Amino acid sequence: GENVEQHPSTLSVQEGDSAVIKCTYSDSASNYFPWYKQELGKRPQLIIDIRSNVGEKKDQRIAVTLNKTAKHFSLHITETQPEDSAVYFCASKGGTSYGKLTFGQGTILTVHP
Amino acid sequence: GAVVSQHPSWVICKSGTSVKIECRSLDFQATTMFWYRQFPKQSLMLMATSNEGSKATYEQGVEKDKFLINHASLTLSTLTVTSAHPEDSSFYICSAIKGSGSQPQHFGDGTRLSIL
Repeated sequence: GENVEQHPSTLSVQEGDSAVIKCTYSDSASNYFPWYKQELGKRPQLIIDIRSNVGEKKDQRIAVTLNKTAKHFSLHITETQPEDSAVYFCASKGGTSYGKLTFGQGTILTVHP
Repeated sequence: GAVVSQHPSWVICKSGTSVKIECRSLDFQATTMFWYRQFPKQSLMLMATSNEGSKATYEQGVEKDKFLINHASLTLSTLTVTSAHPEDSSFYICSAIKGSGSQPQHFGDGTRLSIL
């Protein structure tokens, strides 16, 4: 089955800096890659997603890039703010799975004021 | 929007009790829902895929008779933890897909289950 590796496990930045989180996947047929933000004790919230026919997608301070050849995708957050502090999960939908996602291990992002 | 409601949000009960958790899609129909378990500081672990009108598909290592899933309508799936024990204590989260399989999963608020 699909395997997703996420790095780093923790990331600490100063307010205003950029943060980058990287994920690799194993199933070359995977076609959908969402990113979720989860605050302590709360639900994961979709912040951005990308499909396999697109190389990059941007939404204000958040962007995701996808390299299908290398089978990796990355989340970029610019001008970080303290409220960006949370756990971020990448996920991948395998080519043969109906909606089933495989999640990365998560990255604890801390933005210091 | 795509709102998913999960109830209850917190359950504390004695060992041996069965606990039912409900997951509802409030403003859309969901033919497929998912149940996850999440331990502190860990990722979401998929337990099963719930399909409306058919049997759930369980992930390897998840006991079907322990975690009963029912998806009787397009807006409701339930997870029943039968004869719960302290090791079943965890954060259980459901999600639902609006539309086809390549659409985002929308998550409920989760249920924190504590077995004494």
